[in-house]
Amino acid sequence: LAKTTQPISMDSYEGQEVNITCSHNNIATNDYITWYQQFPSQGPRFIIQGYKTKVTNEVASLFIPADRKSSTLSLPRVSLSDTAVYYCLGAQLGTYKYIFGTGTRLKVLA
Amino acid sequence: DVKVTQSSRYLVKRTGEKVFLECVQDMDHENMFWYRQDPGLGLRLIYFSYDVKMKEKGDIPEGYSVSREKKERFSLILESASTNQTSMYLCASSPTGGRAGELFFGEGSRLTVL
Repeated sequence: LAKTTQPISMDSYEGQEVNITCSHNNIATNDYITWYQQFPSQGPRFIIQGYKTKVTNEVASLFIPADRKSSTLSLPRVSLSDTAVYYCLGAQLGTYKYIFGTGTRLKVLA
Repeated sequence: DVKVTQSSRYLVKRTGEKVFLECVQDMDHENMFWYRQDPGLGLRLIYFSYDVKMKEKGDIPEGYSVSREKKERFSLILESASTNQTSMYLCASSPTGGRAGELFFGEGSRLTVL
């Protein structure tokens, strides 16, 4: 199981691009990297997943270098509503003991 | 949309009481999970279940038990609540064969033990 390490918190201003990096040095060959977003008083929600290189969807982009020991979640042009806690998670298909890290608290300022 | 419903958003209990936290999902998912969330500690896995009547311990099962009598329902039980079990409890579900690591969470149950 990949142990993940993230910065505890980050501040940004509206309109900026935000990059949140997750370190997962012991990632296994079969692990996928998954990111979640959690707003206050809500459960986390899945936002993006990747295995290697780059994945983009309507919410974010995910960059995973060739060695896969880290990943970067990129949020383009953040707004106040992107203020949330972001978690990265390493998970294998067919296994279900998902271990989350402590997450990164992103605060977007006006 | 997948819906995971936790029966109570807020509960206040006294030390020593037996507490039941109920979770129901409507998407026929095989797997269900209970996490607790505390400031600075992130999400910690208490128990998970991959089938009816099946359960496996997570990282912090002490002081908790679970019950999965029906596929859609997963209950977390605190046999004798203690103040250090004051926390936010999150239930989640996932389908077998779905994307690795994709969980669908409920909105959480905030438990205060006095």
